[in-house]
Amino acid sequence: DVVMTQSPLSLPVTLGQPASISCRSSQSLVHSDGNTYLNWFQQRPGQSPRRLIYKVSNRDSGVPDRFSGSGSGTDFTLKISRVEAEDVGVYYCMQGTHWPQWTFGQGTKVEIK
Amino acid sequence: EVQLVESGGGLVQPGGSLRLSCAASGFTFSSYDMHWVRQATGKGLEWVSAIGTAGDPYYPGSVKGRFTISRENAKNSLYLQMNSLRAGDTAVYYCARGAAVAGTDGFDIWGQGTMVTVSS
Repeated sequence: DVVMTQSPLSLPVTLGQPASISCRSSQSLVHSDGNTYLNWFQQRPGQSPRRLIYKVSNRDSGVPDRFSGSGSGTDFTLKISRVEAEDVGVYYCMQGTHWPQWTFGQGTKVEIK
Repeated sequence: EVQLVESGGGLVQPGGSLRLSCAASGFTFSSYDMHWVRQATGKGLEWVSAIGTAGDPYYPGSVKGRFTISRENAKNSLYLQMNSLRAGDTAVYYCARGAAVAGTDGFDIWGQGTMVTVSS
Protein backbone atom coordinates (compact mmCIF):
# COMPACT_ATOMS: atom_id res chain seq x y z
CA ASP A 1 0.00 0.00 0.00
CA VAL A 2 1.04 3.59 -0.61
CA VAL A 3 1.98 5.36 2.61
CA MET A 4 1.43 9.10 2.86
CA THR A 5 3.61 10.94 5.37
CA GLN A 6 2.87 14.51 6.43
CA SER A 7 5.05 16.98 8.29
CA PRO A 8 4.84 18.69 10.58
CA LEU A 9 1.99 17.07 12.50
CA SER A 10 1.40 20.28 14.45
CA LEU A 11 1.84 23.77 13.04
CA PRO A 12 1.37 26.84 15.26
CA VAL A 13 1.14 29.93 13.07
CA THR A 14 0.79 33.66 13.72
CA LEU A 15 -2.22 35.29 12.06
CA GLY A 16 -1.23 36.82 8.74
CA GLN A 17 1.90 34.70 8.44
CA PRO A 18 2.46 31.92 5.88
CA ALA A 19 2.16 28.22 6.59
CA SER A 20 3.47 25.22 4.72
CA ILE A 21 2.63 21.52 5.03
CA SER A 22 4.64 18.76 3.41
CA CYS A 23 3.25 15.46 2.16
CA ARG A 24 5.43 12.63 0.88
CA SER A 25 4.28 9.38 -0.69
CA SER A 26 6.07 6.04 -0.56
CA GLN A 27 5.51 5.57 -4.30
CA SER A 28 5.26 7.96 -7.20
CA LEU A 29 1.79 9.42 -7.62
CA VAL A 30 2.12 9.86 -11.36
CA HIS A 31 -0.67 7.81 -12.93
CA SER A 32 -0.31 5.95 -16.21
CA ASP A 33 -2.63 8.57 -17.74
CA GLY A 34 -0.07 11.27 -16.97
CA ASN A 35 -2.00 12.91 -14.16
CA THR A 36 -0.92 13.11 -10.52
CA TYR A 37 -3.84 12.46 -8.20
CA LEU A 38 -2.83 14.18 -5.00
CA ASN A 39 -5.62 15.85 -3.06
CA TRP A 40 -5.77 18.07 0.01
CA PHE A 41 -8.60 18.23 2.54
CA GLN A 42 -9.38 20.63 5.37
CA GLN A 43 -11.27 19.59 8.48
CA ARG A 44 -12.31 22.43 10.72
CA PRO A 45 -13.10 21.63 14.38
CA GLY A 46 -16.38 19.78 14.66
CA GLN A 47 -16.94 19.63 10.91
CA SER A 48 -16.74 17.06 8.15
CA PRO A 49 -13.71 17.14 5.87
CA ARG A 50 -13.82 19.38 2.82
CA ARG A 51 -11.75 19.01 -0.32
CA LEU A 52 -9.54 22.02 -0.97
CA ILE A 53 -7.29 20.94 -3.82
CA TYR A 54 -7.22 18.13 -6.38
CA LYS A 55 -4.62 17.02 -8.90
CA VAL A 56 -1.86 18.69 -6.89
CA SER A 57 -2.75 22.31 -7.54
CA ASN A 58 -6.39 22.75 -8.60
CA ARG A 59 -8.43 24.67 -6.04
CA ASP A 60 -12.04 23.72 -5.41
CA SER A 61 -14.76 26.27 -5.98
CA GLY A 62 -14.96 28.70 -3.09
CA VAL A 63 -11.47 27.95 -1.77
CA PRO A 64 -9.60 31.21 -1.15
CA ASP A 65 -6.59 31.85 -3.36
CA ARG A 66 -4.34 32.07 -0.31
CA PHE A 67 -4.34 28.25 -0.50
CA SER A 68 -2.02 26.72 -3.07
CA GLY A 69 -0.74 23.26 -3.82
CA SER A 70 2.44 22.21 -5.56
CA GLY A 71 4.78 19.28 -6.04
CA SER A 72 5.41 16.28 -8.20
CA GLY A 73 6.27 12.60 -8.05
CA THR A 74 6.42 11.81 -4.34
CA ASP A 75 6.84 15.25 -2.79
CA PHE A 76 3.99 17.72 -2.34
CA THR A 77 3.24 20.91 -0.43
CA LEU A 78 0.17 22.82 0.69
CA LYS A 79 0.81 26.50 1.36
CA ILE A 80 -1.33 29.13 3.02
CA SER A 81 0.04 32.52 2.07
CA ARG A 82 -1.46 34.41 5.04
CA VAL A 83 -3.17 32.37 7.73
CA GLU A 84 -6.58 33.57 8.87
CA ALA A 85 -8.52 32.47 11.95
CA GLU A 86 -10.92 30.38 9.82
CA ASP A 87 -7.98 28.26 8.60
CA VAL A 88 -7.62 26.56 11.98
CA GLY A 89 -8.14 22.82 11.65
CA VAL A 90 -6.50 19.64 10.43
CA TYR A 91 -5.22 19.26 6.88
CA TYR A 92 -4.88 15.91 5.16
CA CYS A 93 -3.26 14.89 1.92
CA MET A 94 -4.70 11.89 0.09
CA GLN A 95 -3.63 9.95 -2.95
CA GLY A 96 -6.06 8.69 -5.59
CA THR A 97 -3.49 7.46 -8.11
CA HIS A 98 -3.21 3.94 -6.76
CA TRP A 99 -6.93 3.20 -6.65
CA PRO A 100 -8.70 1.04 -5.61
CA GLN A 101 -6.74 1.80 -2.47
CA TRP A 102 -7.06 5.39 -1.30
CA THR A 103 -4.73 6.53 1.47
CA PHE A 104 -4.57 9.63 3.64
CA GLY A 105 -1.68 11.27 5.42
CA GLN A 106 -1.80 11.41 9.24
CA GLY A 107 -3.03 15.00 9.23
CA THR A 108 -1.43 18.31 10.20
CA LYS A 109 -3.07 20.40 12.88
CA VAL A 110 -2.88 24.13 12.16
CA GLU A 111 -3.45 26.37 15.15
CA ILE A 112 -2.98 30.04 15.93
CA LYS A 113 -0.07 31.00 18.17
CA GLU B 1 -28.55 21.24 -2.88
CA VAL B 2 -26.05 18.40 -3.16
CA GLN B 3 -26.25 16.46 0.09
CA LEU B 4 -25.31 13.20 1.77
CA VAL B 5 -27.00 12.17 5.02
CA GLU B 6 -25.79 9.16 7.00
CA SER B 7 -27.80 7.19 9.53
CA GLY B 8 -27.71 3.90 11.38
CA GLY B 9 -24.87 4.45 13.81
CA GLY B 10 -25.08 3.44 17.44
CA LEU B 11 -23.70 1.27 20.20
CA VAL B 12 -23.01 -2.39 19.41
CA GLN B 13 -21.24 -5.15 21.30
CA PRO B 14 -17.99 -6.66 20.05
CA GLY B 15 -18.77 -9.33 17.49
CA GLY B 16 -22.05 -7.67 16.62
CA SER B 17 -23.37 -6.17 13.39
CA LEU B 18 -24.62 -2.81 12.22
CA ARG B 19 -25.87 -1.43 8.91
CA LEU B 20 -25.16 2.16 7.96
CA SER B 21 -27.16 4.06 5.34
CA CYS B 22 -26.39 7.16 3.34
CA ALA B 23 -29.14 9.10 1.53
CA ALA B 24 -27.99 11.14 -1.44
CA SER B 25 -29.78 14.10 -2.99
CA GLY B 26 -29.15 16.91 -5.43
CA PHE B 27 -27.13 14.91 -7.95
CA THR B 28 -27.40 11.85 -10.21
CA PHE B 29 -26.39 9.25 -7.63
CA SER B 30 -26.05 6.40 -10.12
CA SER B 31 -23.32 8.26 -12.01
CA TYR B 32 -20.86 8.43 -9.14
CA ASP B 33 -18.55 6.06 -7.31
CA MET B 34 -19.28 6.24 -3.59
CA HIS B 35 -17.10 5.73 -0.53
CA TRP B 36 -17.13 5.27 3.21
CA VAL B 37 -14.39 6.94 5.26
CA ARG B 38 -14.05 6.65 9.04
CA GLN B 39 -12.39 8.66 11.77
CA ALA B 40 -11.74 7.44 15.29
CA THR B 41 -12.04 10.13 17.95
CA GLY B 42 -9.02 12.42 17.80
CA LYS B 43 -7.48 10.41 14.95
CA GLY B 44 -7.05 10.76 11.22
CA LEU B 45 -9.13 9.74 8.23
CA GLU B 46 -9.19 6.13 7.02
CA TRP B 47 -10.78 5.00 3.76
CA VAL B 48 -13.07 2.05 4.52
CA SER B 49 -14.78 1.01 1.30
CA ALA B 50 -15.80 2.07 -2.18
CA ILE B 51 -18.38 1.01 -4.74
CA GLY B 52 -18.28 1.78 -8.42
CA THR B 53 -21.18 2.78 -10.60
CA ALA B 54 -21.47 -0.83 -11.74
CA GLY B 55 -21.64 -2.06 -8.15
CA ASP B 56 -18.03 -3.25 -7.96
CA PRO B 57 -16.87 -3.11 -4.31
CA TYR B 58 -13.43 -2.36 -2.88
CA TYR B 59 -12.04 -2.63 0.65
CA PRO B 60 -8.79 -2.18 2.53
CA GLY B 61 -7.37 -5.18 4.32
CA SER B 62 -8.53 -3.93 7.72
CA VAL B 63 -12.22 -4.52 6.92
CA LYS B 64 -12.19 -6.97 4.01
CA GLY B 65 -14.37 -9.99 4.79
CA ARG B 66 -16.23 -8.17 7.57
CA PHE B 67 -17.74 -5.12 5.82
CA THR B 68 -19.96 -5.11 2.73
CA ILE B 69 -20.73 -1.99 0.74
CA SER B 70 -23.78 -1.82 -1.49
CA ARG B 71 -25.92 0.72 -3.28
CA GLU B 72 -29.52 1.03 -4.39
CA ASN B 73 -29.63 3.57 -7.20
CA ALA B 74 -33.44 3.62 -7.37
CA LYS B 75 -33.44 4.91 -3.80
CA ASN B 76 -30.33 7.11 -4.13
CA SER B 77 -28.88 5.18 -1.22
CA LEU B 78 -25.54 3.77 -0.14
CA TYR B 79 -25.12 1.15 2.57
CA LEU B 80 -22.38 -0.37 4.70
CA GLN B 81 -23.06 -3.69 6.39
CA MET B 82 -20.57 -4.17 9.20
CA ASN B 83 -20.16 -7.60 10.78
CA SER B 84 -17.82 -9.05 13.40
CA LEU B 85 -17.29 -5.58 14.80
CA ARG B 86 -14.29 -4.85 17.00
CA ALA B 87 -13.41 -2.06 19.40
CA GLY B 88 -11.03 -0.73 16.75
CA ASP B 89 -13.99 -0.09 14.43
CA THR B 90 -15.29 2.60 16.80
CA ALA B 91 -15.36 5.82 14.77
CA VAL B 92 -17.44 8.39 12.98
CA TYR B 93 -18.31 6.96 9.57
CA TYR B 94 -18.62 9.40 6.68
CA CYS B 95 -20.26 8.79 3.35
CA ALA B 96 -18.44 10.57 0.52
CA ARG B 97 -18.88 11.04 -3.20
CA GLY B 98 -16.00 10.06 -5.44
CA ALA B 99 -14.75 12.82 -7.72
CA ALA B 100 -13.71 12.09 -11.30
CA VAL B 101 -13.12 8.56 -12.54
CA ALA B 102 -12.69 6.06 -9.70
CA GLY B 103 -12.40 8.77 -7.09
CA THR B 104 -8.94 9.72 -8.29
CA ASP B 105 -9.66 13.36 -7.48
CA GLY B 106 -10.60 12.45 -3.96
CA PHE B 107 -14.01 12.93 -2.40
CA ASP B 108 -15.79 16.14 -3.25
CA ILE B 109 -18.96 15.81 -1.16
CA TRP B 110 -19.08 14.50 2.42
CA GLY B 111 -21.92 13.74 4.79
CA GLN B 112 -22.05 14.85 8.40
CA GLY B 113 -21.06 11.41 9.68
CA THR B 114 -22.65 8.82 11.94
CA MET B 115 -21.02 7.54 15.13
CA VAL B 116 -20.40 3.82 15.64
CA THR B 117 -19.33 2.65 19.08
CA VAL B 118 -18.25 -0.95 19.63
CA SER B 119 -18.21 -1.71 23.32
CA SER B 120 -19.53 -4.20 25.85
